[in-house]
Amino acid sequence: KQEVTQIPAALSVPEGENLVLNCSFTDSAIYNLQWFRQDPGKGLTSLLLIQSSQREQTSGRLNASLDKSSGRSTLYIAASQPGDSATYLCAFFKDETSGSRLTFGEGTQLTVNP
Amino acid sequence: DTGVSQDPRHKITKRGQNVTFRCDPISEHNRLYWYRQTLGQGPEFLTYFQNEAQLEKSRLLSDRFSAERPKGSFSTLEIQRTEQGDSAMYLCASSLAPRPRNTGELFFGEGSRLTVL
Repeated sequence: KQEVTQIPAALSVPEGENLVLNCSFTDSAIYNLQWFRQDPGKGLTSLLLIQSSQREQTSGRLNASLDKSSGRSTLYIAASQPGDSATYLCAFFKDETSGSRLTFGEGTQLTVNP
Repeated sequence: DTGVSQDPRHKITKRGQNVTFRCDPISEHNRLYWYRQTLGQGPEFLTYFQNEAQLEKSRLLSDRFSAERPKGSFSTLEIQRTEQGDSAMYLCASSLAPRPRNTGELFFGEGSRLTVL
């Protein structure tokens, strides 16, 4: 059962372009939502965390939004650079007696071309 | 370095051998998670500990897999009688348990890549 969907699966853009990565989830009873970056063969680097009571978070050129009612989150990357090339993963966290964990999407593989 | 550390980074083994991975979490974190990731997929939850107690195990964690966190600090993940299907990246993460003043943000290590020949 797929609980988190990320669209598109892959994206290739020229340097300097603004872009949006999409994440949808089926369960609105989340505690928080995290966006991660993963470089090939590496671990996950946390980019942004949005708590369930928040609507968005910003860090530098990154902005993430959360709409619990529609089950959607977006990651906006401004003025993309070749160094942004990586896989971006979203994951929602639930903390309850029936389970406490991050559930991940399959990621969006981003390539920014010089 | 005060992040999550995992050892070894890469392990190549023959089918049927046992392997053990170690994870050292961020020191003040009371929760520790293990995930498995195969190529092109998102990480899948395996198990988590709060302090030394293993509170949840995924159905993915067959009886060949065992995880421990004996003193509530580092953790080990052992795979017995490895199979080729066990080849994956094994990721460890740690966090503070979510509370009104804690976001519960997870921090991941660099992973341990297992190749079973």
